[in-house]
Amino acid sequence: KQEVTQIPAALSVPEGENLVLNCSFTDSAIYNLQWFRQDPGKGLTSLLLIQSSQREQTSGRLNASLDKSSGRSTLYIAASQPGDSATYLCAPGSRGSASKIIFGSGTRLSIRP
Amino acid sequence: SAVISQKPSRDICQRGTSLTIQCQVDSQVTMMFWYRQQPGQSLTLIATANQGSEATYESGFVIDKFPISRPNLTFSTLTVSNMSPEDSSIYLCSVTGRNNEQFFGPGTRLTVL
Repeated sequence: KQEVTQIPAALSVPEGENLVLNCSFTDSAIYNLQWFRQDPGKGLTSLLLIQSSQREQTSGRLNASLDKSSGRSTLYIAASQPGDSATYLCAPGSRGSASKIIFGSGTRLSIRP
Repeated sequence: SAVISQKPSRDICQRGTSLTIQCQVDSQVTMMFWYRQQPGQSLTLIATANQGSEATYESGFVIDKFPISRPNLTFSTLTVSNMSPEDSSIYLCSVTGRNNEQFFGPGTRLTVL
């Protein structure tokens, strides 16, 4: 059974810093891995999708890497802004037609102006 | 990306009653899922909504408590039956798009008194 751990659970940094969010998963037989953002009381916004054959994906100030063999992914946020404050969720997707994804507990990020 | 709407966006219900949540997608999709997010927690998959057949439930969730309908490829409902305060959560539907990327609706915030 896939288990997903995200470290740190919470992070508060001043605006402008570069930061790294970590995700580890126990079953490396994944199809892909997604990073999501969730604002308080809201739904999820997909940030980046990495296929199992890929090593990283970039979108603007965000870069996500994937090391499938070691069961790790990182989300790098460059030049952080107060608008980046949210909970970030890592979700590896299982193989097979079900396309089920399992969520980590998330990292609650606060960027101080 | 798919555009997903949910109704209602929020509701306050009495113990012992039932609530049906609707999920509408702007395009035909094969895979639809229902998730629960309890207060302060991450997302847990309830079931996969299958078009033309019964939903597939995850461990800990049963059809009598969470009946699901999927009459076509753009619509699904989740009913939370015989509610108790422990059912107070955000309920989210999701769909799988191209490359198995998952997209989420805005969620339904349910409070049971």
